[in-house]
Amino acid sequence: DAKTTQPNSMESNEEEPVHLPCNHSTISGTDYIHWYRQLPSQGPEYVIHGLTSNVNNRMASLAIAEDRKSSTLILHRATLRDAAVYYCILRKYGGSQGNLIFGKGTKLSVKP
Amino acid sequence: NAGVTQTPKFRILKIGQSMTLQCTQDMNHNYMYWYRQDPGMGLKLIYYSVGAGITDKGEVPNGYNVSRSTTEDFPLRLELAAPSQTSVYFCASSYPQDNQPQHFGDGTRLSIL
Repeated sequence: DAKTTQPNSMESNEEEPVHLPCNHSTISGTDYIHWYRQLPSQGPEYVIHGLTSNVNNRMASLAIAEDRKSSTLILHRATLRDAAVYYCILRKYGGSQGNLIFGKGTKLSVKP
Repeated sequence: NAGVTQTPKFRILKIGQSMTLQCTQDMNHNYMYWYRQDPGMGLKLIYYSVGAGITDKGEVPNGYNVSRSTTEDFPLRLELAAPSQTSVYFCASSYPQDNQPQHFGDGTRLSIL
């Protein structure tokens, strides 16, 4: 399975944009890029996913590099509730199990 | 919608005891999963199921058993609890398509003393 690399931690100020990077240099053409986040004492929560094109939803935006070897999750205005561990995960299209392979993620702290 | 519901939320077991962690989902999802999360780490897959009557091992299945008699329920059984099984356990469910998100429960925090 292709691996992802994320910074261990990042800090942001409230109401400022946050860019969370993820490197996945060994990504294959059939890998989707998924982002999940885990708030303290809760289960992971789906944020967004994409394959090749940039994606937007109500929670965030996902910017995918043209060569697909990296991606960036963008939170447009961080709130205190966005403090969480963010996981960048590659999910292979056509995989029989469908499970997610979690790394350690990036712990985002948001300062008021 | 309740989504994925896990019970109990907390439990303390003695070494050698057994227990069943319950998981139920009301989204009619075919796929269900059990993960464990140790402190400061990501989640690891224990068992998964692609439908009623079908289960298979994940990355860390030793010491656990599962069954899937209905679409809604996917209980996880610990037969002889060991300190190494102290962890937070998460159940998840999803549709089978690869671009469908997984929905997680709030977890069961289990301590083996």
